[in-house]
Amino acid sequence: DQQVKQNSPSLSVQEGRISILNCDYTNSMFDYFLWYKKYPAEGPTFLISISSIKDKNEDGRFTVFLNKSAKHLSLHIVPSQPGDSAVYFCAASDSGTYKYIFGTGTRLKVLA
Amino acid sequence: GAGVSQTPSNKVTEKGKYVELRCDPISGHTALYWYRQSLGQGPEFLIYFQGTGAADDSGLPNDRFFAVRPEGSVSTLKIQRTERGDSAVYLCASSALGGRASDTQYFGPGTRLTVL
Repeated sequence: DQQVKQNSPSLSVQEGRISILNCDYTNSMFDYFLWYKKYPAEGPTFLISISSIKDKNEDGRFTVFLNKSAKHLSLHIVPSQPGDSAVYFCAASDSGTYKYIFGTGTRLKVLA
Repeated sequence: GAGVSQTPSNKVTEKGKYVELRCDPISGHTALYWYRQSLGQGPEFLIYFQGTGAADDSGLPNDRFFAVRPEGSVSTLKIQRTERGDSAVYLCASSALGGRASDTQYFGPGTRLTVL
């Protein structure tokens, strides 16, 4: 049973436009969420996180939005750059634990 | 400073053999985690160390898998009698304190294990 779902395996966006990556979760105990970026042959790199006490967190070009009632979060990248091309993983956790549950990832391609 | 390092980067072995995968965490990080990533999937939790002790090994798939961290720094994941289904990328992560989700986990590059 997949508790964290990324239903879009891939996404292509033109350079300079907005990239929106989506993630859904089923476990209502999850209250802490993260996004990781992964380049080929490298490990996942932490990007941004959000606690359920917030509905938005911003860091430069990256913003994560959380909709608790819909059990949905999204990562917005504005403006998208070719160097953002990577696989993006959404992860969720119960803040009282350390175990991250990952989605299957979305491959983002930013076209120059 | 240096990130998490893992060796070897690639390991090819034959079914039934024993393998060891090594992880060197970020200096000073007390918490260490192993995850496994199969093709087309996200990383899946295997085991969590707090210092020298395995605080949670609930993700280890069976008793062929074992991990140690004898001095609270470097960790070794050991797989006995390897099977073709063990083929995956094994990722190690470390965090400063551990114990809660907000203590961000930083990942190494992984070891790609192929069992022929």
